[in-house]
Amino acid sequence: DAKTTQPPSMDCAEGRAANLPCNHSTISGNEYVYWYRQIHSQGPQYIIHGLKNNETNEMASLIITEDRKSSTLILPHATLRDTAVYYCIVRAANNYGQNFVFGPGTRLSVLP
Amino acid sequence: GAVVSQHPSRVICKSGTSVKIECRSLDFQATTMFWYRQFPKQSLMLMATSNEGSKATYEQGVEKDKFLINHASLTLSTLTVTSAHPEDSSFYICSARAGTNSNQPQHFGDGTRLSIL
Repeated sequence: DAKTTQPPSMDCAEGRAANLPCNHSTISGNEYVYWYRQIHSQGPQYIIHGLKNNETNEMASLIITEDRKSSTLILPHATLRDTAVYYCIVRAANNYGQNFVFGPGTRLSVLP
Repeated sequence: GAVVSQHPSRVICKSGTSVKIECRSLDFQATTMFWYRQFPKQSLMLMATSNEGSKATYEQGVEKDKFLINHASLTLSTLTVTSAHPEDSSFYICSARAGTNSNQPQHFGDGTRLSIL
């Protein structure tokens, strides 16, 4: 699975959009981009995933560049409860039996 | 959505005790579950892959005789930390994937915080 690079930390004002970047320049054609977050002392929570089209759900939007070498997770109106470590993971679709490999992620702090 | 339940959420016990952690997929069947360990201020590290009806696959450096995994049904995997010592104190997290589509996300339990005195 391709490696991802994320900034170690970011701050965001409450009520503003939080834009979390992820670089995955070695991504292959069959690899999906997944985003998870981990709030302190809890297990990771699935947020969203996509292959090449932009995706949106009730939690967030995922914007994938046309060359698929990077993506951005957007939390449209960040709240204090969105403070967490956010993980961007790239994984091949045919790796059904394989785990998700977690990097250090981005520690997002939403400030009042 | 898919839910993974982990029990207990916290364990405090004496050195030398064996501790069993359960991971259940509540509304789906999981032929494969994963066990992770997370030390303070670090990311999740995979310990082993649990396969229903067969032996678990352990990552390099993880002792299979110390961390016993049993995946006897499609909804339950257990991790037993045998003769636990203070260095085994950590946050243990399981995960499973719902569905047969290979791009489905993994869902994680809320973790078990193990403290060995």
